[in-house]
Amino acid sequence: AQKITQTQPGMFVQEKEAVTLDCTYDTSDQSYGLFWYKQPSSGEMIFLIYQGSYDEQNATEGRYSLNFQKARKSANLVISASQLGDSAMYFCAMRKRKLTFGTGTRLQVTL
Amino acid sequence: NAGVTQTPKFQVLKTGQSMTLQCAQDMNHEYMSWYRQDPGMGLRLIHYSVGAGITDQGEVPNGYNVSRSTTEDFPLRLLSAAPSQTSVYFCASSYRSTNYEQYFGPGTRLTVT
Repeated sequence: AQKITQTQPGMFVQEKEAVTLDCTYDTSDQSYGLFWYKQPSSGEMIFLIYQGSYDEQNATEGRYSLNFQKARKSANLVISASQLGDSAMYFCAMRKRKLTFGTGTRLQVTL
Repeated sequence: NAGVTQTPKFQVLKTGQSMTLQCAQDMNHEYMSWYRQDPGMGLRLIHYSVGAGITDQGEVPNGYNVSRSTTEDFPLRLLSAAPSQTSVYFCASSYRSTNYEQYFGPGTRLTVT
């Protein structure tokens, strides 16, 4: 069975600073996908970034990068130059046919 | 493209009532799924479908039925609503499974009294 663990229920970061949101996963599959989604207070789910288990390079999308360490089974999200609009819930998810979510981390960006 | 649409946006039911949450996508995606989101629990998979005529159970299927008669539509039926089904329900779709992001609908907030 797949399992995703996000150990940080809440995080604070100052504007313009970088922040790392932790995610570890457990699977016996060799082929899988790792995803991060953002959920602002308005409630919609916004896709941020994807990493395939066979990808050798860490994924990057603008200010988002995914620090993928396969041996440690971790897929941390790094947000650089935080903005006030980054305040939201962030969910890590893993996909092998089914998409399994972690419980999320609430990020608050402060002035 | 409208993407993934869900109706209704809000619904209040009495215990024992039945209803259907509608979900449609216009992206010709093979894969569709339903999740529920409860406070502090992330999203949990209820049912999913890998194509028309094919459905399977997710993590929390009890009390819900689905069918997939067309590629576009994937309705979720609550057979006899219970207060424990009070939640926000999201429908999602993707081109295929595993390596493709899922596109989410705006959600339906359901309250069962």
